[in-house]
Amino acid sequence: FVLTQPHSVSESPGKTVTISCTRSSGNIASNYVQWYQQRPGSAPTTLIYEHRKRPSGVPDRFSGSIDRSTNSASLTISGLETEDEADYFCQSYDSSNRVFGGGTQLTVL
Amino acid sequence: QVQLQESGPGLVKPSETLSLTCTVSGGSISGYYWSWIRQSPGKGLEWIAYIYYNGNTDYNPSLKSRVTISVDMSKNQFSLKLRAMTAADTAVYYCARDTTWGGFDPWGHGTLVTVSS
Repeated sequence: FVLTQPHSVSESPGKTVTISCTRSSGNIASNYVQWYQQRPGSAPTTLIYEHRKRPSGVPDRFSGSIDRSTNSASLTISGLETEDEADYFCQSYDSSNRVFGGGTQLTVL
Repeated sequence: QVQLQESGPGLVKPSETLSLTCTVSGGSISGYYWSWIRQSPGKGLEWIAYIYYNGNTDYNPSLKSRVTISVDMSKNQFSLKLRAMTAADTAVYYCARDTTWGGFDPWGHGTLVTVSS
């Protein structure tokens, strides 16, 4: 299966942005979706796991959800800060593979 | 806190075999699954393979014919071999610990591997 994300999104500081991740086949709810943040030159770090849980240390400005009707997951970032400018990847799995979305470049301007 | 560090050559010739090692510090390799993941400009992030500390493995179907993953518990390390390298294999290679929720955390810093003659 494939996870499809928008290539890029942009929004102003203080606003809210939502990044989508659509699963091409298989039920989005059947396998956990994770979200990772990657800053230039660094490895990805976990923002959201198990669809909507946040690791300790991740601000509650970051939230995750799934929508069974569109077979997609979403990452919502509220109160945007300039430091949120980064690449964001969704990730899930099935019985034979672990799959990443193509990534979304967030610009905060 | 567990930390992972990749090591290996930064340059590999076409048709040769890439060998990378991931050293785990701050915790034991025992009891966990461990993965290799790569990131290239053309294909984004791609999971390559995982290994359990007891040696059980699984591979990305698209790479399975060229990949071997192994573990050395005495050194707290696991390794990747990717055969018949081509320019399409040029990427940053990461090692990471698998989680119970089907993701990866933490990740190593990554190592850039370039395939060129």
